[in-house]
Amino acid sequence: GIQVEQSPPDLILQEGANSTLRCNFSDSVNNLQWFHQNPWGQLINLFYIPSGTKQNGRLSATTVATERYSLLYISSSQTTDSGVYFCAVGDTGGFKTIFGAGTRLFVKA
Amino acid sequence: EPEVTQTPSHQVTQMGQEVILRCVPISNHLYFYWYRQILGQKVEFLVSFYNNEISEKSEIFDDQFSVERPDGSNFTLKIRSTKLEDSAMYFCASSRGIGELFFGEGSRLTVL
Repeated sequence: GIQVEQSPPDLILQEGANSTLRCNFSDSVNNLQWFHQNPWGQLINLFYIPSGTKQNGRLSATTVATERYSLLYISSSQTTDSGVYFCAVGDTGGFKTIFGAGTRLFVKA
Repeated sequence: EPEVTQTPSHQVTQMGQEVILRCVPISNHLYFYWYRQILGQKVEFLVSFYNNEISEKSEIFDDQFSVERPDGSNFTLKIRSTKLEDSAMYFCASSRGIGELFFGEGSRLTVL
């Protein structure tokens, strides 16, 4: 099955700093999503981005499907950005979405 | 904005008891899923459901698990005889097509 690797596993930032989170996947995928799991456990959709680049406020994401990776950029980080960021990819069969292990982000005030 | 709703938010049960977790997917969505997350670990795929049948299931989804869409709005996950290791957060998700998934807030199951 598809392997999804995320890096770094843990990240500590000072408020206001920028960061880049990476997601590598081992095979062709139908789709790719980035989620933020907040401290209450909710999975918040950030981006649906099987290819290309999208931006939403301080967050942006880029997926290069041919090279099997995606990047999530967080600019001017805030304490509310803390939590776990998951990359999830859909296999070519389409019925299964596989999550990476996540990047645990802590933003210090 | 339409959302996936799950009940109960938290359930505590004794080992060996049956548990049913309920989900109401987004109304015009056709694909339904259950995932679970053991505390501190990654989100794991359990099962996908389309056109009133299971499309795909993982090795975790053994004979103790079943899913059902009993009516036009609910999607349920049943665990027949719970074990301690079934303690986890269970997430329901839905999608319109094979694409973007939308998750509910989860049901936390604690097996004692």
